[in-house]
Amino acid sequence: GENVEQHPSTLSVQEGDSAVIKCTYSDSASNYFPWYKQELGKRPQLIIDIRSNVGEKKDQRIAVTLNKTAKHFSLHITETQPEDSAVYFCAASGYSTLTFGKGTMLLVSP
Amino acid sequence: DGGITQSPKYLFRKEGQNVTLSCEQNLNHDAMYWYRQDPGQGLRLIYYSQIVNDFQKGDIAEGYSVSREKKESFPLTVTSAQKNPTAFYLCATQGGANTEAFFGQGTRLTVV
Repeated sequence: GENVEQHPSTLSVQEGDSAVIKCTYSDSASNYFPWYKQELGKRPQLIIDIRSNVGEKKDQRIAVTLNKTAKHFSLHITETQPEDSAVYFCAASGYSTLTFGKGTMLLVSP
Repeated sequence: DGGITQSPKYLFRKEGQNVTLSCEQNLNHDAMYWYRQDPGQGLRLIYYSQIVNDFQKGDIAEGYSVSREKKESFPLTVTSAQKNPTAFYLCATQGGANTEAFFGQGTRLTVV
């Protein structure tokens, strides 16, 4: 089955800095790669996703890049704000169930 | 509130007891999932169902059971065979393959 590795497990940045979270996947058949944000005590919510026919996707301060050859994808957050502090999960699927990474705790200090 | 309701929010279980976690959705989604969340472990799939009266084991199904008698409901039973049940349990739905997964607010189960 699919295996998703996510790094780093924790990431501390200063407000205004950029943050990058990286994931690798094992199944070349995977073609859908969402990112979820989970604030403390709350449910995970989708923040951005990308499909295998696209190399990059942006939504305001958030962007995701995908390299299918290398089987890795990354989340980029620019101009970080304290409200970006949360746990971020990447996931991968290929017309089956989502496989999640173990999560990255992002801490943005004012 | 997202169309997925989990209950209860907090649940305490004594050793040797079975407990059932409720998950109800009004999104008319076919696929429903149960995940277990432990610190540093991400979301691990317990069971999933793509259609009524059918379900499949996920990666960590041992000690758990489910049913899918109605499209709207996918209850999870944590049996006494689950040796380490203390965790945060999340139910999710999807409207189709490779689409957004919507999560319930979760149930925190503690063994006392």
